[in-house]
Amino acid sequence: EVQLVESGGGLIQPGGSLRLSCAASGFTVSSNYMSWVRQAPGKGLEWVSIIYSGGSTYYADSVKGRFTISRDNSKNTLYLQMNSLRAEDTAVYYCARTSNVYWYFAFWGRGTLVTVSS
Amino acid sequence: DIQMTQSPSSLSASVGDRVTITCRASRTISNYLTWYQQKPGQAPKLLIYAASSLQSGVPSRFSGSGSGTDFTLTISSLLPEDFATYYCQQSYSIPWTFGQGTKVEIK
Repeated sequence: EVQLVESGGGLIQPGGSLRLSCAASGFTVSSNYMSWVRQAPGKGLEWVSIIYSGGSTYYADSVKGRFTISRDNSKNTLYLQMNSLRAEDTAVYYCARTSNVYWYFAFWGRGTLVTVSS
Repeated sequence: DIQMTQSPSSLSASVGDRVTITCRASRTISNYLTWYQQKPGQAPKLLIYAASSLQSGVPSRFSGSGSGTDFTLTISSLLPEDFATYYCQQSYSIPWTFGQGTKVEIK
């Protein structure tokens, strides 16, 4: 059974750093395209980042230079390192298995909440 | 960036109604259009990809159409479990972008 479980969210002060994890089961992270998508409280969805199976990475302009997507093949886990956090980064962060054709988000985890506040 | 605009932003409908939600892209995206359903407190769920391809396991009352800039999600006969927020998303070019959502409420 395919499963994605995010962790690592919490309350963090502006300017701080946080690393989110997304543990996958039922498939191999390194063989798939994997994304992070976020949703601010009461708001819509915003794509954040993707890592291709070949290792290429892309970011939304709003997080470029501050966030880094990566994966640990031995742990079958996806990560999102978030630095220089801002209040506007407050959101539920979802990891999603992404199709490599048409690039849709085929399967989502339940998400982890990041709150940036002093 | 490609802007995605959904209409309406919300609608009230009754069980059994036919519901249509539209999504317009600010420039052509061919058929790189996906629809998701999200219920409160849950992650989004994939409904339709490539504008009109129904995801496995999704009921056939859901259908999608369109190409270029204008797209439609149709629910042929609304069931109680269909009350949710629906999002469109373009994957034609990065940054991938979503519509603002359409909330389908019970009349």
